[in-house]
Amino acid sequence: QQPVQSPQAVILREGEDAVINCSSSKALYSVHWYRQKHGEAPIFLMILLKGGEQKGHDKISASFNEKKQQSSLYLTASQLSYSGTYFCGTAFPGSGGGADGLTFGKGTHLIIQP
Amino acid sequence: NAGVTQTPKFRVLKTGQSMTLLCAQDMNHEYMYWYRQDPGMGLRLIHYSVGEGTTAKGEVPDGYNVSRLKKQNFLLGLESAAPSQTSVYFCASGRAVGDGYTFGSGTRLTVV
Repeated sequence: QQPVQSPQAVILREGEDAVINCSSSKALYSVHWYRQKHGEAPIFLMILLKGGEQKGHDKISASFNEKKQQSSLYLTASQLSYSGTYFCGTAFPGSGGGADGLTFGKGTHLIIQP
Repeated sequence: NAGVTQTPKFRVLKTGQSMTLLCAQDMNHEYMYWYRQDPGMGLRLIHYSVGEGTTAKGEVPDGYNVSRLKKQNFLLGLESAAPSQTSVYFCASGRAVGDGYTFGSGTRLTVV
C-alpha cells in the first residue's frame, strides 16, 4: 500500500525545474506533500483532495490524477532552499479522509546546486 | 506558539529497558500520530488518536503502547526496548481532515 515515488533522487542547478511523482496501487482520497531537511521535521507543503480541490504554496504546485492514482509535485525555478527530501503521504477512501493516518512514500532526495 | 513539542530529543536505552516519549501540542488539534522513520523506509505509522481518550493501531504497532488522556498530549511507550526499535520517532498533529500535519522535531532513540 506504500506509494511509489520517482525519481529516488535528482540533482538540479538553481533555476531549473523539477517534477516528483507519487503513484499508488490503491484508489486515493487525498495526497499530502512534505519536505524534510536533514535532521529536521517534515514540513507540510500542500494537500490535494479527491474532486480536484487544491491547496498549497506559490512557486510549488501539484496535480492529482484520480484515475491514474497519481500525484505530481512541480517545483519551478528551483531555489537553493528547495533542497531536501520530499515525501508524499496518501489517504484512502474509508480512512476517515486521512484521520487514521497517512501512508508515506520512501521519499525523493532533491539537491539544488548553485 | 510552540506547535508540537517532543521530549526527549535523544535517548540511548539498553535492551529490555522501558521508556515513554512525550508529545505535546498547543494548537488544540484533534488528531495526533506517532511515526517512526528509518533510512530508506520513509515514515511508518505506529499508533494514532482521533481525539482525547481514543487510540488505534497503525502499520507497525508491535512493541509500543500509547495513551491520550489529555487532548494536548500523546504518549508513546516502549515496555521492553529491542535493537529493532532504534529509529527516529516523530509525533504529528492535525486540526481536521483535509489539513496538513504539523510534525515535532523528533526523538532519536538508540537501543543497544
